Amino acid sequence: SYVLTQPPSVSVAPGQTATIPCGGDNIGVKSVHWYQQRPGQAPVLVVYEDSDRPSGIPDRFSGSNSGDTASLAITRAAAGDEAVYYCQVWDGGPRHVVFGGGTRLTVL
Amino acid sequence: EVQLVESGGGLVQPGGSLRLSCAASGFTFSSYWMSWVRQAPGKGLEWVANIKQDGSEKYYVDSVKGRFTISRDNAKNSLYLQMNSLRAEDTAVYYCARDRAVLRFFDYWGQGTLVTVSS
Repeated sequence: SYVLTQPPSVSVAPGQTATIPCGGDNIGVKSVHWYQQRPGQAPVLVVYEDSDRPSGIPDRFSGSNSGDTASLAITRAAAGDEAVYYCQVWDGGPRHVVFGGGTRLTVL
Repeated sequence: EVQLVESGGGLVQPGGSLRLSCAASGFTFSSYWMSWVRQAPGKGLEWVANIKQDGSEKYYVDSVKGRFTISRDNAKNSLYLQMNSLRAEDTAVYYCARDRAVLRFFDYWGQGTLVTVSS
């Protein structure tokens, strides 16, 4: 089965850009989606289809995908961005939904 | 405004059963696939099951196949998950999510309901 690999944690200074990678075999040919999960809350979709943002998600959030790595970038990081971020792909077939293990973003 | 509200979680003994419900509002429920996604305490997200708009197709992760049944009632705008033969490893928060079927992502999630399987 398809595997998505994320680092357990990423740290960023306030106001700087955080980049969260998501690795997978030739992930560049798949559509990657990203979710933000703040402590005690449900996940929220922040990027879909590699780089599109749902309405209400600030343009500080952007996504890219090429080769074996997809990435979520958060510019002008702030304390409110602290959360666990999950990447997700569909590996074909209605049962093949795959999530990465999640990356905890710390803004310090 | 899209809203998904789960209910039905609780403490159940191993081998027991539980039925989760998800009440949907703010969108045409019958037009969307729907999914259940769970999250064990301190762990990541795991897709559990999904169901087509008219209920004619249902799919499950291997670990719950034969034990869980997903269903829906479009007249009541409701999604269900019948969970039988529960195991300790089924302990998790269960989320109802709207499933954008073509690319299989989840654009709206409920707040979740906690299922604890323990003696």
